[in-house]
Amino acid sequence: EVQLVESGGGLVRPGESLRLSCAASGFFFTDYWMSWVRQSPGKGLEWVANINLDGSAQNYVDSVKGRFIISRDNAKKSLYLQMNNLTPDDSAIYFCARSSDSQGGISAAHFDSWGQGARVSVSS
Amino acid sequence: DIQMTQSPSPLSASVGDRVIITCQASQDISTYLNWYQQKPGKAPKLLIYDASDLETGVPSRFGGSGSGTHFTFTITSLQPEDVATYYCQQYGNLPLTFGGGTKVEIK
Repeated sequence: EVQLVESGGGLVRPGESLRLSCAASGFFFTDYWMSWVRQSPGKGLEWVANINLDGSAQNYVDSVKGRFIISRDNAKKSLYLQMNNLTPDDSAIYFCARSSDSQGGISAAHFDSWGQGARVSVSS
Repeated sequence: DIQMTQSPSPLSASVGDRVIITCQASQDISTYLNWYQQKPGKAPKLLIYDASDLETGVPSRFGGSGSGTHFTFTITSLQPEDVATYYCQQYGNLPLTFGGGTKVEIK
C-alpha cells in the first residue's frame, strides 16, 4: 500500500523558515517524480513544486521561487520542502504527492497518491 | 499561466441525478486534464486522468470527456458518498494549475 506521511509543519513568524518532510513507503520511490501541493484555509489547491527521479531537476510556482527548495533523499525514501522567508500567504496545508506520467509519456502529469498533509501557519 | 475555470459552484442535486461539471482552460491543453475529488478534511483523490481515463478502483459512475479548452466531468447517478469538492487540473504547461473547485451537495 502506498503511504506518504508528512511532518514538520507548525506555527512560525513572518520571515522565518520551516522544513517539511515526507516519508514514502509501499512503492519504488526512485521510479516517481514527487510534488508538493498546498491548500490555503478554505481555498483551492495550488501546486508548489516538483522534483524528478534523481533530484537533478526541480520546478516551482513563481510565488515560491527563490524562497522554497524541494529535494529528495532516495536512500531514505524521503521528500523535503525547505521553506524560507515565509509570509502569511504561505499559510496552508502542504500535501506531499506522488506524480505519475501521462499515457502519452509526459512526466509528472497527475498526482495519484497523496499524504494527509502538514499544516503551516505563518503569523506574527 | 493557464487559468482553469470551473462551473458551477456550488452544485446541489438529488440522489440519483446526473451531475455535470465543466472546466474551461484559458488555452489549448489537448487532453492534458485530470479530475480529483476532495472530501472535507481529507486529501484529494485522483478520479480521472488524461481527460477521460478512469483511475483504478474508481466507480464507473464517474467519467470525463473533452479536449482543447473545454472539458466535462460527469457523475451518472449521484450517491450520498459523492458529496465533495471536485477539482480539475491541467498539465499542459508549467505551472501545473487547478480549477477553483466545484462543491457538490445533496438537495
